Amino acid sequence: AQTVTQSQPEMSVQEAETVTLSCTYDTSESNYYLFWYKQPPSRQMILVIRQEAYKQQNATENRFSVNFQKAAKSFSLKISDSQLGDTAMYFCAFTLSGNTPLVFGKGTRLSVIA
Amino acid sequence: DTGVSQNPRHKITKRGQNVTFRCDPISEHNRLYWYRQTLGQGPEFLTYFQNEAQLEKSRLLSDRFSAERPKGSFSTLEIQRTEQGDSAMYLCASTPRVRNTGELFFGEGSRLTVL
Repeated sequence: AQTVTQSQPEMSVQEAETVTLSCTYDTSESNYYLFWYKQPPSRQMILVIRQEAYKQQNATENRFSVNFQKAAKSFSLKISDSQLGDTAMYFCAFTLSGNTPLVFGKGTRLSVIA
Repeated sequence: DTGVSQNPRHKITKRGQNVTFRCDPISEHNRLYWYRQTLGQGPEFLTYFQNEAQLEKSRLLSDRFSAERPKGSFSTLEIQRTEQGDSAMYLCASTPRVRNTGELFFGEGSRLTVL
């Protein structure tokens, strides 16, 4: 079974600084999809960024980028120029395909401090 | 295009009572998922539907839990004889049939408190 591990329960960062959230996963498959989701307090979960394992290029979405290390099974999220609105729970997730349920990590609570 | 809608948003019930949650997915999304999220944990998969067919159920879904999607549109999740351990946020998500990138579109969740 696939597993996703987020080893940082809580992190904090000063506004405008950069922070990196860690995620590792375990699978014996070679093709899969990885995601970072954001869950603001009392709000619904939304997709931040998505990576396909067969693509070597790291995904980027504005201030959000990933460092995908396939051999190490590592998928970290970098948030640049942190903003107060980035305060949220961040979940790393994995799926083998668009037709199988996502498996989530336990999450990292990020606080952006003014 | 409206998002995924869940009702009720909050439910407080006494142990032993039955509760039902409803999820309306984004229109034309043919797959619908139920997840459970407890405090300090990530979402845990419960079950999912493709149209009206229930394709997979997690071992977390005990026989007190039942989910339906009778016409392939909205879905209900019923918990019978609730226990305090059932207290959690129940999340619904949907995905489209075409251009499915694996992304789940989530509702705001239904929070259950069992006293």
